[in-house]
Amino acid sequence: GEDVEQSLFLSVREGDSSVINCTYTDSSSTYLYWYKQEPGAGLQLLTYIFSNMDMKQDQRLTVLLNKKDKHLSLRIADTQTGDSAIYFCAYYVDSNYQLIWGAGTKLIIKP
Amino acid sequence: DTGVSQNPRHKITKRGQNVTFRCDPISEHNRLYWYRQTLGQGPEFLTYFQNEAQLEKSRLLSDRFSAERPKGSFSTLEIQRTEQGDSAMYLCASSLGGDQETQYFGPGTRLLVL
Repeated sequence: GEDVEQSLFLSVREGDSSVINCTYTDSSSTYLYWYKQEPGAGLQLLTYIFSNMDMKQDQRLTVLLNKKDKHLSLRIADTQTGDSAIYFCAYYVDSNYQLIWGAGTKLIIKP
Repeated sequence: DTGVSQNPRHKITKRGQNVTFRCDPISEHNRLYWYRQTLGQGPEFLTYFQNEAQLEKSRLLSDRFSAERPKGSFSTLEIQRTEQGDSAMYLCASSLGGDQETQYFGPGTRLLVL
């Protein structure tokens, strides 16, 4: 079946690295995504990775994909207060055009 | 602004009334999606358009829900005889399609059914 699991909360100190983890069940997905949602706002695409890649880096963001374990992670270096948000992991199902989403991880920044 | 836009941003209605939401995708995007999001959850897929053709509908989409994209540009989502359980954020997204299956989301329409 289709399922994405994420921890509900992550608390980090300002300036530290944040690592948000996600596991999924569908190994046939072509694209995997990380979206950010701030309170009262829409979903902002942060980054995505193709399933034939292991890693993608974009400024402070690093995405790691372990296809064997069906595990996706997002690392945010030098976490800032502006990074406070809910982070959603999602993957694309080619056969029915859907994005399947986790419930989101709320990132809390401690001063 | 060349992003996805949605109107209205907020809608309060009484149970039993009909509501209609509009989505304007990014202009060159031929794929358009509707999702529903409730508090504490990720979005749930509702329906998908490739140009004007509605190619996929979720089992979640009851007979009271209908979506159109008549000219392959903007889309409308109508909910008839609203119920309190329809209260949610309704999100629209668009993508270029082909090798570029990256969905860009609008700000959403928050519906409250009293």
